[in-house]
Parts: sequence; structure tokens; C-alpha cells
Amino acid sequence: DTGVSQDPRHKITKRGQNVTFRCDPISEHNRLYWYRQTLGQGPEFLTYFQNEAQLEKSRLLSDRFSAERPKGSFSTLEIQRTEQGDSAMYLCASSSTGGALEKLFFGSGTQLSVL
Amino acid sequence: GESVGLHLPTLSVQEGDNSIINCAYSNSASDYFIWYKQESGKGPQFIIDIRSNMDKRQGQRVTVLLNKTVKHLSLQIAATQPGDSAVYFCADNGAQYSGGGADGLTFGKGTHLIIQP
Repeated sequence: DTGVSQDPRHKITKRGQNVTFRCDPISEHNRLYWYRQTLGQGPEFLTYFQNEAQLEKSRLLSDRFSAERPKGSFSTLEIQRTEQGDSAMYLCASSSTGGALEKLFFGSGTQLSVL
Repeated sequence: GESVGLHLPTLSVQEGDNSIINCAYSNSASDYFIWYKQESGKGPQFIIDIRSNMDKRQGQRVTVLLNKTVKHLSLQIAATQPGDSAVYFCADNGAQYSGGGADGLTFGKGTHLIIQP
């Protein structure tokens, strides 16, 4: 257990529905990342926060995706009008600017299946 | 875009033997490299990392070697055990130098390590 928690672990939804995932990072970590991983591939960067500020978004992040970290602690990732291509594992990770910034600690992920 | 890749998708080794997993990276600006282990249904788990000012770093039963000249790194696992069965990913931080901003880590596709009894 890395200390990064994600909820839910699994989500099955119908195409067109909205879904929201939650991530609780390691408490003293000020950076929080979202990644997406499809079967047989490595994780792909989506976005990251430093405290409550969203500092970077990947071109992979379409306008149907939105992420927030309102108080600089937990974060949510919402996908609107889900499509079958959104089916993937959504991983959250955190790191600390006080340590090795790039050393990410990952949660167990939320597996999304869009039917 | 530039990416990190692994040479072999699957590696099968006998229990007790040493395993060597290779990785080639393409971004010469990368100065931090990290190996993760991912078991089925779980998130990536940190194994070991290395900065570009080093050629070698050792952990418990694991060693990472970095060859900046040919942009290659490897993960060596000594005395492989059944619990080592997983997919192993290398990743680097080069995206922050080419995209502007900290784009996190860039991962390769992974090598599935299979342990034969």
C-alpha cells in the first residue's frame, strides 16, 4: 500500500453517462497526477496539480474530462458523456516537491468499463 | 513525441536465476529514470530510480544500470522469486524538457516477467 487511495476500484457505466473518480494522495505530497492506462500499455500522463493549481494538461485530455483539486488535498476526475474509448484504468499518483519530484507513488487505480 | 520503450514484451526466467530487463529511451534531455513493477489489477509500484549523474544504483536484490551514451538502462533482479512475476515499466522525465512544464513521467510499454518453477 503506497498511501494513495482511489475510489471506486471499478466502475461500469453506459455510454453517454458521466462518471467521477476520487483520489486521496499521500497527505504531505503537494503534487498530484492523473494517468490513464490501457491494456498492454504503460500509463499515459493526463494532468497534474501542484497544491490546488492545475499546472499541466495533456493533449489526451479532451474537453469531456475535467479534474479538480479544490483544497489541495484530494482530487476528482470527471468524464462527461463517456465513450467506449474511455474504457481504461485511471491511475492517480502523488509526489513531493520536498523530495525526488519525479518519484511518483501510484494508487491502485479505478478500472472504468464503458458499455 | 519521444517515448521510452522496452526491448522485449515478455521475459521468462527460471526461479533462482537473475533477470535482466532492458529499456531504451529516446529523449537525450532526460535526467531521471525510474523502474516500476505492476502486478495484475494494481497500480505501478516503485522499485528503484537513478539520476543521470550516476551509472549504477543498487537496491535490495535489484540494480539499475544507466548508459547515457546509447540511451539505455536495465533492471537486474537477483535470484528471481515467484513474487517477482509482474509487468515492469521503465519511465523517464524527459517530457518536461521538450513540452514545457512538468509532464510527469513518460512510460514504456512494459515487459512481462514470467517465473518458471
